[in-house]
Amino acid sequence: NAGVTQTPKFRILKIGQSMTLQCTQDMNHNYMYWYRQDPGMGLKLIYYSVGAGITDKGEVPNGYNVSRSTTEDFPLRLELAAPSQTSVYFCASATGTGGLRYNSPLHFGNGTRLTVT
Amino acid sequence: QQQVKQSPQSLIVQKGGISIINCAYENTAFDYFPWYQQFPGKGPALLIAIRPDVSEKKEGRFTISFNKSAKQFSLHIMDSQPGDSATYFCAAGPARQLTFGSGTQLTVLP
Repeated sequence: NAGVTQTPKFRILKIGQSMTLQCTQDMNHNYMYWYRQDPGMGLKLIYYSVGAGITDKGEVPNGYNVSRSTTEDFPLRLELAAPSQTSVYFCASATGTGGLRYNSPLHFGNGTRLTVT
Repeated sequence: QQQVKQSPQSLIVQKGGISIINCAYENTAFDYFPWYQQFPGKGPALLIAIRPDVSEKKEGRFTISFNKSAKQFSLHIMDSQPGDSATYFCAAGPARQLTFGSGTQLTVLP
């Protein structure tokens, strides 16, 4: 199993550009998440999904959009990039048949480092 | 916004020493308290987790101590090794939507 795969690893955007961060998992996990990590700020939840066709906002959703058309893929869309979106973005997944259990760890990808200038 | 406060921000320990990282939470409804370990260039990975019905959980050199009345929990790393040098995040919440602490960068000197 490859686990959670994120692409690209690095990206530089100009203000106002748009892009999609890709995330795919091969573990048949129904829960998927997008976090951003800023220095000294920990991980902030952007969006999450409990299954195909179902998404919900996290703590910091403004400026982002997601979709979940398949169990495997959970892309994150930035429509009008702003300098405040410079961050490291992590996608994660977890199994949770019948509800996420306490012993269902989050499996993280290795992140996408995004710079908006 | 529910917060999880983590301290210290950074920690330097000699090899063989004990590393202690503390976290405090606000929401008494939280029922899952994991610790994640992150190495440079990698995503976080689950290290150890505890439920609020126990006061301590130990896995090898890693121990979580949990104080429900004080709404605090801590990670103890016994016999710290240079390979333990990483960033550690506490988290709390329902398992489906965790709130993470700000992280502690641990350096273990050889």
